[in-house]
Amino acid sequence: ETGVTQSPTHLIKTRGQQVTLRCSSQSGHNTVSWYQQALGQGPQFIFQYYREEENGRGNFPPRFSGLQFPNYSSELNVNALELDDSALYLCASGTGGIMNTEAFFGQGTRLTVV
Amino acid sequence: DAKTTQPTSMDCAEGRAANLPCNHSTISGNEYVYWYRQIHSQGPQYIIHGLKNNETNEMASLIITEDRKSSTLILPHATLRDTAVYYCIVRIADNTNAGKSTFGDGTTLTVKP
Repeated sequence: ETGVTQSPTHLIKTRGQQVTLRCSSQSGHNTVSWYQQALGQGPQFIFQYYREEENGRGNFPPRFSGLQFPNYSSELNVNALELDDSALYLCASGTGGIMNTEAFFGQGTRLTVV
Repeated sequence: DAKTTQPTSMDCAEGRAANLPCNHSTISGNEYVYWYRQIHSQGPQYIIHGLKNNETNEMASLIITEDRKSSTLILPHATLRDTAVYYCIVRIADNTNAGKSTFGDGTTLTVKP
């Protein structure tokens, strides 16, 4: 419905492992942001990419990193997973047009770290 | 981004108007008020946004006080499908900042039959 697709929908990883989450946006969406949402809380901003460069970061350690590709897809990478990384990870993209200032969210990836 | 304050939860009868308040007393002159909602297990959905004038779209109306320190989201005829967590966010409306939003814990709206 929003044109933003995330994969996988669910994932279980072991503490210390690395994980890559993927997001596919609509053509023309120049901005992509990633959020972490713990159970019962609002989404927390991780970082944003605009035209393939990071242009904003929330209070997350460097083991959270990302990439944005020219084909409007993006990745969130998390190294050295910790139990507290268990959360719903949301991708949001925007068209970047001056009149289109709202973000469109995907359905999220539920990551469980055991 | 300015901080927002919302009630933790609200109930509304089906078919009645749902009025969700938000306080944003530290809002800056160039910051807009945005509303999103999140239905269980889904990603947040954009509802509406505004600067200082009242706004209306097919989903809701947004009433912003004259001093801009608070606002109210109005769902005119709430249905059971409107049961969700509603987030009020304040940020600059900039095409490069569309995704940089500071979410609080929102208001859980429960629409009852």
